[in-house]
Amino acid sequence: QQPVQSPQAVILREGEDAVINCSSSKALYSVHWYRQKHGEAPVFLMILLKGGEQKGHDKISASFNEKKQQSSLYLTASQLSYSGTYFCGTVFRGSGGYNKLIFGAGTRLAVHP
Amino acid sequence: SQTIHQWPATLVQPVGSPLSLECTVEGTSNPNLYWYRQAAGRGLQLLFYSVGIGQISSEVPQNLSASRPQDRQFILSSKKLLLSDSGFYLCAWGTRGNNSPLHFGNGTRLTVT
Repeated sequence: QQPVQSPQAVILREGEDAVINCSSSKALYSVHWYRQKHGEAPVFLMILLKGGEQKGHDKISASFNEKKQQSSLYLTASQLSYSGTYFCGTVFRGSGGYNKLIFGAGTRLAVHP
Repeated sequence: SQTIHQWPATLVQPVGSPLSLECTVEGTSNPNLYWYRQAAGRGLQLLFYSVGIGQISSEVPQNLSASRPQDRQFILSSKKLLLSDSGFYLCAWGTRGNNSPLHFGNGTRLTVT
């Protein structure tokens, strides 16, 4: 059930771009993206609810391809503050009949001056 | 505004000792509540989630248990800790509905010695 993220790690210089991918073997109804700084709790970035939806704030955006069961996170003109681990999460039906959010293994992003 | 409190921030416990971690949410009613665990350098593993008082769904069968004695209180417990229980424990809440973002507490870093 766990979505698959790639790459596992990315090293960038300030100003460079990166793409993080998230895919699932099961149908995706929505995709969440979070960022976690070292030693801190994950922070919500955005949710994509519909196939073809694209969202973004600042220079971080994401797309959702429902047919391909995948989502991509785009970081443009990276800043030092973008460093951290990025997680995608997908919603699955739990055993109790309620929805649960399952996260991928994460992508570590390091931005250097 | 809504806030989530989690304590303690750090904990060092010997193998075989009991555990009780508490999480409370303020400023919202009927939240969905979650416990996640993160091993060092790893992803977010869903342990338990709850959609209401006394309603707990377990994702990983192990020596941990969870309880929700009040609407905005979520407790993670163990009768006897194992070395493998070490990790970063995160409580999170979300509103009802399929696509609510999760809001995480600051986490408890547990070291079992």
